[in-house]
Amino acid sequence: GAVVSQHPSWVICKSGTSVKIECRSLDFQATTMFWYRQFPKQSLMLMATSNEGSKATYEQGVEKDKFLINHASLTLSTLTVTSAHPEDSSFYICSARALAGGSNEQFFGPGTRLTVL
Amino acid sequence: DAKTTQPPSMDCAEGRAANLPCNHSTISGNEYVYWYRQIHSQGPQYIIHGLKNNETNEMASLIITEDRKSSTLILPHATLRDTAVYYCIVRVAFSASKIIFGSGTRLSIRP
Repeated sequence: GAVVSQHPSWVICKSGTSVKIECRSLDFQATTMFWYRQFPKQSLMLMATSNEGSKATYEQGVEKDKFLINHASLTLSTLTVTSAHPEDSSFYICSARALAGGSNEQFFGPGTRLTVL
Repeated sequence: DAKTTQPPSMDCAEGRAANLPCNHSTISGNEYVYWYRQIHSQGPQYIIHGLKNNETNEMASLIITEDRKSSTLILPHATLRDTAVYYCIVRVAFSASKIIFGSGTRLSIRP
């Protein structure tokens, strides 16, 4: 099946620093990638939709200047948490929508756990 | 996407069948029922999906009622590794629509 990877799998940073998370589709091309955030004991919350070569579409309540998304190629999208604070500590998950074959199915990455001290 | 309702938690004995219900009374004619699961600290994993016929794969079976207003995911022989949160989602298949997760069902498997 299609594989989506995320890097890093976990990261600890100091308050005020920026953190970049990568999402890659390893064996397929993805025109669209999605970014989710999940707090402990809660469900996944969609943050934004990222389309290759264009600006991301953010869900209501998600600050686009704080969560910078870049989708520069068909296999890579990045999420940068700028000026991170402890309340940004969360599990960040991406998913990628397959382009080939018309399946349009989405495949999820393993997640990145961010801890802001 | 239509909204779904699932019990917040269930438990099942190891080796027995786990039957997870989902209500989706406002499902549209072109929307499929999808099931995903999330094991602790991992990304969601696709399990199965269907439109109106019952479906079976190597992981599970999906039973959809004739009126399509509810469905049941069946794990035929639950193991401890099936402990996870299971999400029932209705969406238009093969579309670019985003997946919106509800609260899901936390399934615990008893040894």
